Amino acid sequence: SQTIHQWPATLVQPVGSPLSLECTVEGTSNPNLYWYRQAAGRGLQLLFYSVGIGQISSEVPQNLSASRPQDRQFILSSKKLLLSDSGFYLCAWTRVSGNTEAFFGQGTRLTVV
Amino acid sequence: AQTVTQSQPEMSVQEAETVTLSCTYDTSESDYYLFWYKQPPSRQMILVIRQEAYKQQNATENRFSVNFQKAAKSFSLKISDSQLGDAAMYFCAYRSAYNTDKLIFGTGTRLQVFP
Repeated sequence: SQTIHQWPATLVQPVGSPLSLECTVEGTSNPNLYWYRQAAGRGLQLLFYSVGIGQISSEVPQNLSASRPQDRQFILSSKKLLLSDSGFYLCAWTRVSGNTEAFFGQGTRLTVV
Repeated sequence: AQTVTQSQPEMSVQEAETVTLSCTYDTSESDYYLFWYKQPPSRQMILVIRQEAYKQQNATENRFSVNFQKAAKSFSLKISDSQLGDAAMYFCAYRSAYNTDKLIFGTGTRLQVFP
């Protein structure tokens, strides 16, 4: 069966510090991978998605970047965090076929202080 | 670009009653997929129900059913016999059948269930 792991679960970082959130998927190959941010009143905002190794599409220009160094690994990064980067971050994967649902990680609560 | 709109930030329902959550979307495509997800306080996203746009029949899953109006671009979720465990955030989502890379979510509706 397929599983998705996302870590850490919670993170408190000072303004200006770097960020690295990691997401890995097991039990499937060539998944589509997604990073979402959830903020109050804004639902799930799609940040980045990837259809393959090294292929990253950015939805929202901002202080964050994403990388996919391996087929089932997706990393969300920042060189210098801003207060506005605080939020709940969710990683998800889907099969390429469109009628299948997305499977989500447990999420990371990021607080920038 | 496709967009998904949920116009009800919050809804409430009495236990055992029925509630309907609204979702509209904007797309120029003819084939796509629609989803409703539930996010309980644990924050784990759970698929509630899905609908293929080419199917005219509304999807149902036990107490959950949808009213899919393709011409109106509307996809509402009906929860019958509401239970306390149904209290959660509910998100509507859209995925193109042509460009299956993106999965777009609405802003969510918080559902409260009162005993």
